[in-house]
Amino acid sequence: AQKITQTQPGMFVQEKEAVTLDCTYDTSDQSYGLFWYKQPSSGEMIFLIYQGSYDEQNATEGRYSLNFQKARKSANLVISASQLGDSAMYFCAMREGRDSGTYKYIFGTGTRLKVLA
Amino acid sequence: EAEVAQSPRYKITEKSQAVAFWCDPISGHATLYWYRQILGQGPELLVQFQDESVVDDSQLPKDRFSAERLKGVDSTLKIQPAELGDSAMYLCASSLVSGRAKNIQYFGAGTRLSVL
Repeated sequence: AQKITQTQPGMFVQEKEAVTLDCTYDTSDQSYGLFWYKQPSSGEMIFLIYQGSYDEQNATEGRYSLNFQKARKSANLVISASQLGDSAMYFCAMREGRDSGTYKYIFGTGTRLKVLA
Repeated sequence: EAEVAQSPRYKITEKSQAVAFWCDPISGHATLYWYRQILGQGPELLVQFQDESVVDDSQLPKDRFSAERLKGVDSTLKIQPAELGDSAMYLCASSLVSGRAKNIQYFGAGTRLSVL
């Protein structure tokens, strides 16, 4: 079974509009972390936002916010006021394994976002 | 701004040749990761170091891949012999071991390998 599921292979959004990228996860750990990374065509993975499983409030970083719904095991990324430079691949990732002593990081298959002028 | 350095950026090699990639993590980051990213997929962890020790290499194809981090700072990933299926982006990342920031991996620009 997929540990991280991103069901949207591609998304379009109009410039200045908000967009939500979906991510669901599967883990039996009580303590875990969820991340979003941006990967432009140049290839570098850029850290965007982090949410710990015990964090009570949704994480926010500038125009990025993470809509964390623990019971539904979802961690959607919301980008507000989209810009042309936001066009890229976006990966959702999870860190689990604290209980076993070794962290494991698992990435989803990504969503390609295209911002339209 | 501190960053993870990787070289080379691009590597073209022929099947059965040996290749090596280098990574220098952010200063002070004790944990170092090597990932392989096949086109159209997410990164997959190959090996994880804590200082100079390997803590996870369960997904490393040990018959042809090797990784070392002798002094606990920079690291080298080697493939010998390279196969056509090894064509991919090889990403290095590093993180701290304590504090909230320990959860965040910072990535280098990657090495794009093409095996002909």
